[in-house]
Amino acid sequence: EPEVTQTPSHQVTQMGQEVILRCVPISNHLYFYWYRQILGQKVEFLVSFYNNEISEKSEIFDDQFSVERPDGSNFTLKIRSTKLEDSAMYFCASSAQTGWQPQHFGDGTRLSIL
Amino acid sequence: AQKVTQAQTEISVVEKEDVTLDCVYETRDTTYYLFWYKQPPSGELVFLIRRNSFDEQNEISGRYSWNFQKSTSSFNFTITASQVVDSAVYFCALSPGNTGFQKLVFGTGTRLLVSP
Repeated sequence: EPEVTQTPSHQVTQMGQEVILRCVPISNHLYFYWYRQILGQKVEFLVSFYNNEISEKSEIFDDQFSVERPDGSNFTLKIRSTKLEDSAMYFCASSAQTGWQPQHFGDGTRLSIL
Repeated sequence: AQKVTQAQTEISVVEKEDVTLDCVYETRDTTYYLFWYKQPPSGELVFLIRRNSFDEQNEISGRYSWNFQKSTSSFNFTITASQVVDSAVYFCALSPGNTGFQKLVFGTGTRLLVSP
């Protein structure tokens, strides 16, 4: 069964550094998403992306964050200057359509900011 | 605004017991979708079921069943004859229609511990 893959599985970064999290969505999916989950808390929506532009973003997704689909397969989340509070599990998801079609999640990237 | 409430933080049962996980949601949208996801100890999020706001039929899939009641804004999940492998955190989620179902709004999750 096709799946969403995320790399790396764990990223350790010094505060203030830039980090790029990578995702390869399911190949025929058109909608892409990033979520984060701070340890022990709920999963929070960050951003959705369709047709090479952001469709919706949350209050968490401020100017420090950006997303990109640099080629036909990858979908990236960049955090420009990381803060301690950015430490979390980041999940990428994709779906064939919005609404009825479920979002399929990757295994996540655990981001640790030191 | 949309909100999903899972009041049960943690539930412990013994294998073969039935268990119901509660989910209450809030939305002003007339069209929306509801989902349940499972997060096992390994951390991934596994899709279990979806429901749209116009379909109140209950659904059964093996040992899993779901009860959607629009009148009480609830979408509860029952596991019959629980097994140790069911131990996980279960998240209920809402996809609101007002912005084109672009996001999932998750509840805080219910941790289910099934002991042998």
